[in-house]
Amino acid sequence: GAVVSQHPSRVICKSGTSVKIECRSLDFQATTMFWYRQFPKQSLMLMATSNEGSKATYEQGVEKDKFLINHASLTLSTLTVTSAHPEDSSFYICSASPWTSGRGQETQYFGPGTRLLVL
Amino acid sequence: GESVGLHLPTLSVQEGDNSIINCAYSNSASDYFIWYKQESGKGPQFIIDIRSNMDKRQGQRVTVLLNKTVKHLSLQIAATQPGDSAVYFCAEAIRTSYDKVIFGPGTSLSVIP
Repeated sequence: GAVVSQHPSRVICKSGTSVKIECRSLDFQATTMFWYRQFPKQSLMLMATSNEGSKATYEQGVEKDKFLINHASLTLSTLTVTSAHPEDSSFYICSASPWTSGRGQETQYFGPGTRLLVL
Repeated sequence: GESVGLHLPTLSVQEGDNSIINCAYSNSASDYFIWYKQESGKGPQFIIDIRSNMDKRQGQRVTVLLNKTVKHLSLQIAATQPGDSAVYFCAEAIRTSYDKVIFGPGTSLSVIP
């Protein structure tokens, strides 16, 4: 149980286009989902936290107008990289938490990641 | 801001030996710590966790030690196997309105057959 999927696994796009990445919790309802970005040989950097049905909370330095997050259902969150540029090329990873903060399991379940390459 | 860091960015061990990966954290408010394993091109995989009210927790071939006095965390892997080769991250949970997990910089473990 507790499987999180991401789609696509890899995407190549031209500079200036927008790319949507989906994150799904397959066998549980995720009230909270997180989006991370990871550059080569670096750690995961938290980009934003989203709760189902509400606006995402972005970390300092993350442009909310560039990285649009939608968490419209309890099993799906999407990250849209708008007007992508080569510097946005990275490994994007989502995670999902079954309960909201303070009420239960602390473990987050991570997706397999999406490799984005912007040409 | 406060962050979790690691002393050793790379570690090479002989197959069968025990591995010890260390981590220092700086946020004294953190009360939950997790170790993750990440293989190349994949998402992090949960290994073991520990709450701040404990100083040791054991799993299958792994043990996590927490020293709150010096804000130090370690992961011990017994009888290291080639399949253990990966990058290991310690992480702390920021117990605010959201259960954010803040990752340390990572240690690359290489197991020599």
